[in-house]
Amino acid sequence: DAGITQSPRHKVTETGTPVTLRCHQTENHRYMYWYRQDPGHGLRLIHYSYGVKDTDKGEVSDGYSVSRSKTEDFLLTLESATSSQTSVYFCATATGEADGYTFGSGTRLTVV
Amino acid sequence: AQSVTQLGSHVSVSEGALVLLRCNYSSSVPPYLFWYVQYPNQGLQLLLKYTSAATLVKGINGFEAEFKKSETSFHLTKPSAHMSDAAEYFCAVSDLRNTPLVFGKGTRLSVIA
Repeated sequence: DAGITQSPRHKVTETGTPVTLRCHQTENHRYMYWYRQDPGHGLRLIHYSYGVKDTDKGEVSDGYSVSRSKTEDFLLTLESATSSQTSVYFCATATGEADGYTFGSGTRLTVV
Repeated sequence: AQSVTQLGSHVSVSEGALVLLRCNYSSSVPPYLFWYVQYPNQGLQLLLKYTSAATLVKGINGFEAEFKKSETSFHLTKPSAHMSDAAEYFCAVSDLRNTPLVFGKGTRLSVIA
């Protein structure tokens, strides 16, 4: 979606290194989310944010942290990457839970 | 806790045939329900949503879904499949307590010429 930019689009990293994925939105949406997509698991929520400096854990938050210092940016950090974190990561935004989400194009992360 | 079950990880239909993708949900309160579509190497796109108005919801690309409270279902249908409908489809639920969407595991739709 043109209003949500995820960077990088692809990344290969080594086990044990920290990695930060960025989600930038121009929609001025209050709500932002990080999901991971894995075959057979669908989308699973990692962390979410309901506003600047207001974040909370999702279903699969272990090994991940987030920060949101501005409305438009939501950063996801893998503190020490492991092979189990190889996945496609999607950022999403919303004005509210009833409105449906707008998704970014995803970041494909490979941990070797 | 809310949850979603999509029956069938893969559905294959002939071009021109009826598409039926099944979704059952669990929620302790009246839910909001969504269907999303994902084309290869892309993000998810909203197809349609139910937010307690009409129980039959029409979406983009000729898809529609019917909310049936008694069956806790929100199945997605399209009368006539087109090759361009080949994609993965996700059902999602949110309760009214302002919690993030919970997604099903997805159903991959193949359309055979």
